[in-house]
Amino acid sequence: QKEVEQNSGPLSVPEGAIASLNCTYSDRGSQSFFWYRQYSGKSPELIMFIYSNGDKEDGRFTAQLNKASQYVSLLIRDSQPSDSATYLCAVNYWTSYDKVIFGPGTSLSVIP
Amino acid sequence: SAVISQKPSRDICQRGTSLTIQCQVDSQVTMMFWYRQQPGQSLTLIATANQGSEATYESGFVIDKFPISRPNLTFSTLTVSNMSPEDSSIYLCSVLITPGQALYTFGSGTRLTVV
Repeated sequence: QKEVEQNSGPLSVPEGAIASLNCTYSDRGSQSFFWYRQYSGKSPELIMFIYSNGDKEDGRFTAQLNKASQYVSLLIRDSQPSDSATYLCAVNYWTSYDKVIFGPGTSLSVIP
Repeated sequence: SAVISQKPSRDICQRGTSLTIQCQVDSQVTMMFWYRQQPGQSLTLIATANQGSEATYESGFVIDKFPISRPNLTFSTLTVSNMSPEDSSIYLCSVLITPGQALYTFGSGTRLTVV
């Protein structure tokens, strides 16, 4: 059973702080890792993807991947109230084609 | 990237009836995916739809309950059959936008309420 787990929420941070979201996965063969943001009542929106160990930065977002520990994280610097959403970690696994499974999500609330 | 139009955006249905959800993509894609998101939950893959072949269902989902059509490379439908209140969920269509990189985009979803 391939699983993706995320730190339980909800997570509350003050505006301007760093929000840290964590995710672990069970399939050592996974090669692609994603973070989606989902606002209430909306569909998921891809915000970051990472394939190699280390850090990947895009604006205020940094994704970190450690395949040996089967761990991926998302840091949001200078958090804004507009970052308040549910963040879904997703991991690919290969059968006869790429499939993606999602973690349960972490709800983030940025307090002004 | 691909733009997905999904219809209807929401519906309220009587138990025992069926609803067909449509997914239209503005470009040809090999694979389309149908997800379910139950209230307060994450996304669960229902099935993968390839053009010209039968859909591949995930564990816990069966064709009789969720028949899927994929008549061409830009269109798919998902039918939720013989609905019960437990089928109340958001149903999402997704396509692979970058093969080899497993990057996906989602339609706007169909919010289904069964009464």
